[in-house]
Amino acid sequence: DAKTTQPNSMESNEEEPVHLPCNHSTISGTDYIHWYRQLPSQGPEYVIHGLTSNVNNRMASLAIAEDRKSSTLILHRATLRDAAVYYCILLDGSSNTGKLIFGQGTTLQVKP
Amino acid sequence: DTAVSQTPKYLVTQMGNDKSIKCEQNLGHDTMYWYKQDSKKFLKIMFSYNNKELIINETVPNRFSPKSPDKAHLNLHINSLELGDSAVYFCASSQAKTGRNTEAFFGQGTRLTVV
Repeated sequence: DAKTTQPNSMESNEEEPVHLPCNHSTISGTDYIHWYRQLPSQGPEYVIHGLTSNVNNRMASLAIAEDRKSSTLILHRATLRDAAVYYCILLDGSSNTGKLIFGQGTTLQVKP
Repeated sequence: DTAVSQTPKYLVTQMGNDKSIKCEQNLGHDTMYWYKQDSKKFLKIMFSYNNKELIINETVPNRFSPKSPDKAHLNLHINSLELGDSAVYFCASSQAKTGRNTEAFFGQGTRLTVV
């Protein structure tokens, strides 16, 4: 299973943009890049996913490097509610299991 | 309406007991999962069912037995509970399709404490 590398923790100020990096140098051509987050005492929550092109949704943007070996989750204006553990996960598009392999993720702290 | 609901939310039990955790999803998804989050917060998949058929079994002790009576339900039964089984168990569902893996929805978790 392809692996991802993320910083253990990051800090941000409220209402400022946050860029959460993820390295996935062994990504294969069929791997989708998924991001989930886990708020305190809750289950993981889907944030966004992409394959090759940058993606935007109401929660965040996903910027994918041209060689696909890294990606960045962008929260445009962090709020206190965005404090969570963010997981970058590769999901094999040639498999229909939907199996998610979680790493240690990045713990994001948002300061008022 | 809660998309993925699991019961109970908290479960405290003695070593050696048998217990079950129930999960239901109202999203019409074909695939359901059980994940375990240990005390160090690592999340790991345990089982997955697709249309009531077991498709993932991640070397989990056979004291753990998932049961899927229909595609909207996936229950987890644990026999002879041990201290090391203490964890938060998450149920999830998705409409996983080859070449178009979609988002998974997770329940709120069941915190199991074995004493």
